[in-house]
Amino acid sequence: EIVLTQSPGTLSLSPGERATLSCRASQSVSSSYLAWYQQKPGQAPRLLIYGASSRATGIPDRFSGSGSGTDFTLTISRLEPEDFAVYYCQQYGSSHTFGQGTRLEIK
Amino acid sequence: EVQLVESGGGLVQPGGSLRLSCAASGFTFSSYEMNWVRQAPGKGLEWVSYISSSGSTIYYADSVKGRFTISRDNAKNSLYLQMNSLRAEDTAVYYCASNHIEGYFDLWGRGTLVTVSS
Repeated sequence: EIVLTQSPGTLSLSPGERATLSCRASQSVSSSYLAWYQQKPGQAPRLLIYGASSRATGIPDRFSGSGSGTDFTLTISRLEPEDFAVYYCQQYGSSHTFGQGTRLEIK
Repeated sequence: EVQLVESGGGLVQPGGSLRLSCAASGFTFSSYEMNWVRQAPGKGLEWVSYISSSGSTIYYADSVKGRFTISRDNAKNSLYLQMNSLRAEDTAVYYCASNHIEGYFDLWGRGTLVTVSS
């Protein structure tokens, strides 16, 4: 099973700042089958990024994904108030596993 | 409107059974692979089970294998999860999620809460 480790566990930033979230896999993720989801309290997860770097429909361009192999990054270029949430990475190249999440909180 | 709506959650005693349902609307359900994903209170996401569009291919997480059964009825646009021999650690919000052909989950329901407690 591919284990995904996200860092940091919690990220405290202010609106307008840049956020960089990391997702590291225990083995290579085939074909960059890596997705990112955003989850707000009481809501279902929402797909942000798939294929490591492709934005899902309706996702603002301040969200970007990068990486390959075992190291992946989600970047939010300029934080908006609605971006403060928990973010999960998921690999879907070998069954499905999720990272433990990064909580992005307002500083 | 494209949506998934789960139902069937509730309080059940350890060792008991529960059947979850997921009603799909606004898209061609029979063309989509589907999944169940759960989230224990205050915890992260855990994939539970997958079923192909025809129902012929099924996978389970090791944590539920032998206890849970996924199924679907394409005529009723519905997905199911039969949960037997429930344990306290099965307590979670259960989401159904559609599986894009590439494998990521592009549509999620709002979830249904299952609580296993005496």
